[in-house]
Amino acid sequence: AQSVTQLGSHVSVSEGALVLLRCNYSSSVPPYLFWYVQYPNQGLQLLLKYTSAATLVKGINGFEAEFKKSETSFHLTKPSAHMSDAAEYFCAVIGGQAGTALIFGKGTTLSVSS
Amino acid sequence: EAGVAQSPRYKIIEKRQSVAFWCNPISGHATLYWYQQILGQGPKLLIQFQNNGVVDDSQLPKDRFSAERLKGVDSTLKIQPAKLEDSAVYLCASSRDGNSNQPQHFGDGTRLSIL
Repeated sequence: AQSVTQLGSHVSVSEGALVLLRCNYSSSVPPYLFWYVQYPNQGLQLLLKYTSAATLVKGINGFEAEFKKSETSFHLTKPSAHMSDAAEYFCAVIGGQAGTALIFGKGTTLSVSS
Repeated sequence: EAGVAQSPRYKIIEKRQSVAFWCNPISGHATLYWYQQILGQGPKLLIQFQNNGVVDDSQLPKDRFSAERLKGVDSTLKIQPAKLEDSAVYLCASSRDGNSNQPQHFGDGTRLSIL
């Protein structure tokens, strides 16, 4: 079964520092992978998705992620953190009986300090 | 385009009572999902509709949860009777046609508290 593991439930960075949020996937076939962001009391917003077209995926708000098959990883990065990036981040893989539902990791809370 | 609409935003009930949540997906989206997000966890799929048919309800606790999408547009999720462990945020999402590379668009959710 498809699954993702997010390493680190909480990451703290200073404003302007590199953001690195880790995600490893378990999949028997090339997966579709996603990163979503959730701000307090809101739904999830898609940051970016990997669909096998390119290993480096650029998303919104300056985020990007690199698919590494040899490491089964899909880590999310941003060169310079902003205060507005503070939120919960979820990595997800496509799965489920119909093969189109999202299977989420447990999430990583990003805190940004000034 | 208008996003996914959910109501109510918040609901507080006592255990063993019943509750219903409503979702209106983005216009023209054939696929609708209900997810349960327990505090500190990622969302978990409860049920997936393609138009008005169920394609995945394998994780729906069918002894207490039910859902319908009668006309293939809006959907209702019901819990009867509620248990303490049902306290969670219930998220509705929709996608254009259910293809795995189609993005899912989420509503703001309904936060359910069980006393």
